[in-house]
Amino acid sequence: GENVEQHPSTLSVQEGDSAVIKCTYSDSASNYFPWYKQELGKGPQLIIDIRSNVGEKKDQRIAVTLNKTAKHFSLHITETQPEDSAVYFCAASMGMGTSYDKVIFGPGTSLSVIP
Amino acid sequence: NAGVTQTPKFQVLKTGQSMTLQCAQDMNHNSMYWYRQDPGMGLRLIYYSASEGTTDKGEVPNGYNVSRLNKREFSLRLESAAPSQTSVYFCASEFAGVVETQYFGPGTRLLVL
Repeated sequence: GENVEQHPSTLSVQEGDSAVIKCTYSDSASNYFPWYKQELGKGPQLIIDIRSNVGEKKDQRIAVTLNKTAKHFSLHITETQPEDSAVYFCAASMGMGTSYDKVIFGPGTSLSVIP
Repeated sequence: NAGVTQTPKFQVLKTGQSMTLQCAQDMNHNSMYWYRQDPGMGLRLIYYSASEGTTDKGEVPNGYNVSRLNKREFSLRLESAAPSQTSVYFCASEFAGVVETQYFGPGTRLLVL
């Protein structure tokens, strides 16, 4: 089955610097890759996603890149702010073509932005 | 529009006790999911319901049962709680169930002594 690895597990950056989180997946059938942000005491919230027919997607200070050949995708946050501090999860989904959307999550990255 | 709501927010159980975690969504979503979150392991799927009236096992179903009461509500039941079930439980819902965004509730923190 699908396996998603995520690195690093913890990341500290100075405010204003960039942060990069990398994920790899094992099943080449995966075609949808969402990123979730989880603030302390809250549920995960989608921040950006990318589908397999696109190599890069950007939304203001966050961007995601996808390399289907190498089976890895990355989250880039530029000009980091203290409110970016949270746990970030990458995920991979195959969109089974049925009514079940099987999503496999990475173990998470705890990002700390130091003022 | 409250999104996905979960009750209770926090619960302490003794080994062997039973309880039901409630989840409701007001977004008219077809699919609903129950995950557990443990440190360093991300989110693991317990059970899911692709549509009203159907439920299926996920990755870690042992020790749990679910009920899709109607389109809005999806409950998770622990019949005989064990310390290994200490975790944070998240409910999620999704519109179409095929490569779509999942929306998560705020979670239920469960401690089994």
